[in-house]
Amino acid sequence: DTEVTQTPKHLVMGMTNKKSLKCEQHMGHRAMYWYKQKAKKPPELMFVYSYEKLSINESVPSRFSPECPNSSLLNLHLHALQPEDSALYLCASSHSTRGEDQPQHFGDGTRLSIL
Amino acid sequence: EDQVTQSPEALRLQEGESSSLNCSYTVSGLRGLFWYRQDPGKGPEFLFTLYSAGEEKEKERLKATLTKKESFLHITAPKPEDSATYLCAVRGAGGGNKLTFGTGTQLKVEL
Repeated sequence: DTEVTQTPKHLVMGMTNKKSLKCEQHMGHRAMYWYKQKAKKPPELMFVYSYEKLSINESVPSRFSPECPNSSLLNLHLHALQPEDSALYLCASSHSTRGEDQPQHFGDGTRLSIL
Repeated sequence: EDQVTQSPEALRLQEGESSSLNCSYTVSGLRGLFWYRQDPGKGPEFLFTLYSAGEEKEKERLKATLTKKESFLHITAPKPEDSATYLCAVRGAGGGNKLTFGTGTQLKVEL
């Protein structure tokens, strides 16, 4: 079992729907990340939050909207997605983005399918 | 721009047949090289962090080594449960703890 919990595990939505992915960690980490992973490809970074502030946005389309309500929670709000957005969405956390480098710990992801 | 190349893309071993996976990298100021294991439908599971050339880390049947240009993941006497995709990632001197991943080596260990 991972210490980063993602819900839901699976999500099917239409292109006009609005949904949210949730991520929670209780390791005291102050950096949290969203990645997108297509089949047989490595994870691609989408967003980085450091101390609850957005520090990196990898030019992600505005139909993906991240939110970090507190140091333990990370949300990804989805609206008007396209079929090519179907993928595994991974959340990760690490101690921080500054100072001593620490590994990122990943959740098991949300498998998203866009109809 | 940081780059990571992993080889081979896929590897099939018999149980007990030791081998090595390669991760070649170019990075501006290495801040860490990370090995992960990923099972189908799961997130990557952290294995090792290496920071400087000459460093080695071990965990059960796995041993990771690092030089200035590449890292190896040695698998000794593998078992079927070692079957997974192994991902290598580097963090360079740029800020934000951004990782650059390789495309992974898909390992299958057969009885």
